[in-house]
Amino acid sequence: GAGVSQSPSNKVTEKGKDVELRCDPISGHTALYWYRQSLGQGLEFLIYFQGNSAPDKSGLPSDRFSAERTGGSVSTLTIQRTQQEDSAVYLCASSLALRSSYNSPLHFGNGTRLTVT
Amino acid sequence: TQLLEQSPQFLSIQEGENLTVYCNSSSVFSSLQWYRQEPGEGPVLLVTVVTGGEVKKLKRLTFQFGDARKDSSLHITAAQPGDTGLYLCAGDKGRKTSYDKVIFGPGTSLSVIP
Repeated sequence: GAGVSQSPSNKVTEKGKDVELRCDPISGHTALYWYRQSLGQGLEFLIYFQGNSAPDKSGLPSDRFSAERTGGSVSTLTIQRTQQEDSAVYLCASSLALRSSYNSPLHFGNGTRLTVT
Repeated sequence: TQLLEQSPQFLSIQEGENLTVYCNSSSVFSSLQWYRQEPGEGPVLLVTVVTGGEVKKLKRLTFQFGDARKDSSLHITAAQPGDTGLYLCAGDKGRKTSYDKVIFGPGTSLSVIP
């Protein structure tokens, strides 16, 4: 498809296990974001990849969280030793990041709903 | 620290009523975007405002960017049940020669009752 694809759509894991969440951005989009959204809440910024620049990791809540973006395309968000407070919807977005006077729109996937039991 | 504030947090109105939601910050943004999110889906862009004082209209929705580029408002005329959703404002502080991440406000949850 032409949109942002995330997998899995749902993930239930036991406390203490590691999880990997995958994001396939729109082809050609140089910017990729991960956000976390708790039920009915806004989007909490986690990490931002822009082209070949070093990622902005300033939103990662702890060192249990990490993300990679291989070949400037697919990204994986890894959460180690999951805790119950990690339960949320994890949203990925990509954009062209055209640098005129503003960022180009973000295109979101439908998210991965993570439940830590 | 919440860089973008939104109010009200929740809003429940009858079909046909008008409403305004607000997005405020102490920071200057190069642009502000408004998104709407429905349950089980990712946010979808409604509009981007760039110039201080700019007003954009999208059918029954009117968006305004503050003169100082620190705040924005969304006004909906004659709300319909299909307007129900979470309205999110988002901004970036990048300049013409640099990129910056997009951050989101906490959202306004709108419910329009038939």
